[in-house]
Formats: sequence, structure tokens, C-alpha cells
Amino acid sequence: GENVEQHPSTLSVQEGDSAVIKCTYSDSASNYFPWYKQELGKRPQLIIDIRSNVGEKKDQRIAVTLNKTAKHFSLHITETQPEDSAVYFCAASNTGGFKTIFGAGTRLFVKA
Amino acid sequence: DAMVIQNPRYQVTQFGKPVTLSCSQTLNHNVMYWYQQKSSQAPKLLFHYYDKDFNNEADTPDNFQSRRPNTSFCFLDIRSPGLGDTAMYLCATSRDLGPNNEQFFGPGTRLTVL
Repeated sequence: GENVEQHPSTLSVQEGDSAVIKCTYSDSASNYFPWYKQELGKRPQLIIDIRSNVGEKKDQRIAVTLNKTAKHFSLHITETQPEDSAVYFCAASNTGGFKTIFGAGTRLFVKA
Repeated sequence: DAMVIQNPRYQVTQFGKPVTLSCSQTLNHNVMYWYQQKSSQAPKLLFHYYDKDFNNEADTPDNFQSRRPNTSFCFLDIRSPGLGDTAMYLCATSRDLGPNNEQFFGPGTRLTVL
């Protein structure tokens, strides 16, 4: 069945450094890739997304890249801050769009 | 203003005792979803409604049912909770289906089965 793998499961960086989280997906029909941030005890919130007709998208300190051939997509956070500490989930949506498959999550720690 | 509201935020029930979780939305979205999220795991889709059309995931246990009496409300019924059903249950909505539709999550209900 459809699957999204996410690495690493835990990531610890120093404040100001960059953080990269990588995901791969199995369903070649996937064409929408959202990233969610979930702070401790809070709801997941969409932070950025990318569609299959685009290779890269940037929003301030956050960027996402997509390689459709390799079925890889990645989240890049530059100049990390302590408030970036959270669990980040990648996801892939199939052609119909109603089923979003989530990765297992990456717990990011940003040390001050 | 809260857009997706879930009640209760915390629920404790006994093994086998039915429980109902509630979700309401002020967004007037067509689609409502229920996810189960166990500790340190990704949210797992249980089912969704597109308007009144119910779509169950193949691996969702029969123990889990859902009702959507109107656009604003959706309920998750667990008929005979087991210990393994202890989890956070997240409700989400989206305006429509398809890749241009962001999912908005509620704060979740943390269910503990004793």
C-alpha cells in the first residue's frame, strides 16, 4: 500500500544552524506534499506545501524541495530558532486528494 | 477564533464501555476527517465524510463508527474500546477534496482506556 518514510526520527541542532528532514513516498500518483508542525500537546498545523508541478518552494526560513523521479521531498529550515522545536510530519496525498499519508514524524530540538 | 473544535479534550473510559467523541467546525467545509494518533506516531486516517458520503479506510476496525448529522458536526463512536485504542483522536476538515485543499486540525481528544 501507499507509504511515506521520514528521516531522521530525531534531529538536534544548534540555534542558527540549518535543519533538513527527508521523506520518500511510494505512490507515484501522489501529487501534493504538505508539511505539518506539531508542537507538544497541540494540533498539527500546515507550515508549507508543494505540488508536483513545482520543484522547490520557499517561505522565509522554510523551503521544500521535490524530486518526482526519485519520489523524494525534503524540508529545509534555515537559521533555526528554539521555537522551531516541534515534531514535523511530511505527508503525501494521492490523486484523489482525500487520503493523506503521513510520515512517522521528526522530533526537532533546537538548542539555544 | 476556534475553527475546529473537539470535545472533550480528555476522556477516560473503561475497557468495553462505549464512548463518543465530538467534532464541530465553523469553516463550512465539505470534508471532515477522523485520525488516530498513538504516542510518537503519525496520524492515521480512520475515515472521512465528503458532505454526507462516508468513506471508511480498509484497515479501520469495525469497532469505530462515525456520524455526521449536519455540515458542522461529526462524531466518532467507539463501540467497545480496547486498551489498544488509547490514543489522541484528531478531527480535521478541508474545504474540498483534491491537492489544493489544506486540512485544518482540531486540538484533539486524548482518550485513555483503562
